[in-house]
Order: sequence, then C-alpha cells, then structure tokens
Amino acid sequence: GAVVSQHPSRVICKSGTSVKIECRSLDFQATTMFWYRQFPKKSLMLMATSNEGSKATYEQGVEKDKFLINHASLTLSTLTVTSAHPEDSSFYICSAILGRLDYNSPLHFGNGTRLTVT
Amino acid sequence: AQSVTQPDIHITVSEGASLELRCNYSYGATPYLFWYVQSPGQGLQLLLKYFSGDTLVQGIKGFEAEFKRSQSSFNLRKPSVHWSDAAEYFCAVGAGDMRFGAGTRLTVKP
Repeated sequence: GAVVSQHPSRVICKSGTSVKIECRSLDFQATTMFWYRQFPKKSLMLMATSNEGSKATYEQGVEKDKFLINHASLTLSTLTVTSAHPEDSSFYICSAILGRLDYNSPLHFGNGTRLTVT
Repeated sequence: AQSVTQPDIHITVSEGASLELRCNYSYGATPYLFWYVQSPGQGLQLLLKYFSGDTLVQGIKGFEAEFKRSQSSFNLRKPSVHWSDAAEYFCAVGAGDMRFGAGTRLTVKP
C-alpha cells in the first residue's frame, strides 16, 4: 500500500539551531501534505497544509517564520524548525493525500519525528 | 468549525473484556470520521473510517465503530480486548486537514 516516509525519526539539536524534517510519499504523488504537532500526552494539532508548488497554509497561531514548509515536488515536503528552542521539542507528524483532496482520498501518515531541543 | 471530543482520557479494561471508546463530533455537514491508534513513540495507524453508507463500520484488529447522527457520536468498540491493544486511540473528523480528539489511553490489565 501507499507509504509515507518521515526522516529523521529522532533528532536532538541545540537551542538556536535549525532542524529540517522530511516527509516523502514513496510510491505515490502527493499534491497535498499536512504537518501536525503532538505535545506529550496530547492530541495532534494541525500546523499547516502544504501544497506542491505553492505557499503553505498555516493554522492560526502557528508561526510561519518559525516553521518553514517547502513542498518542492510531488513526493517531498519539508518542515524546517528555525532557531529552535526547548519549547519546540515535540513529536512532529506528516501526512499525505493519495490523489486529489477529497473525502474519498486515503490519508497516510508518516511515523513521526521526535525533536528534542537542548 | 469541526471538532472532536473524546470524554475519556484514560480507560482500563481487563484482557478479554469488551471495550467502548467514546467520540463526539461537531461538524457542519456530513462528517467524515476516523479512528486511529498510536503506540508509544510511533505514528498513527488507521483503524477504520466512515464516509457514508452503513453506519456500522468494521475495521482492522477486530474493531468496529457505529456512526449515530442523532447523538453526533462515533464510538469505537471491540468485543474482547487483547493486551496488545494497549495504546492511545484518537478519533478524528474531516479530510486531509482533519481535527483530532484529545485521545484516550487504553490500559489492559492481565
């Protein structure tokens, strides 16, 4: 079946550095990808919708300059956490739509990236 | 705006007992509903989904869910819980930009 690969699975970085997380659709083209953030013992919060070839749409309260999203191809979206701080430590998960964005399109999730900022 | 409520933060059941996890949604139109399971440190696995049609939906691992429009509910059930079912369960509504409930942590007692 369709697979979404997320890399890295874990990353530890120092405060002030930037971290890039990749989300790849391995065997299908994903026009639209989504980025979620999950706080410890909390639910997933949608951060942004990433559309191939255009700017991402950010949810209210998400800093677009802090969380840079690039969707340069139909199989790759990247999330860059810029100038990371300890409060950015979280579990980040991406998902991708197989085909067009409609209610019959399966949604596939990556396995997530555990970011720890020291 | 669409939203999901999972009233139970944590549920403990004995192995072999039946399970029901509650989910209530708020949605402006016909909802598209999902149940996901997440093991510690892992991503999400889709258990089942409801788009339309039969309101009783069968999923993987012996789970089922029933859509009740009158109650705005989409509760997840399993007749006999296995120890390997211990995990976090999320109800979600929407499509790609889906909204998740807060999750219910399931503990299974031997």
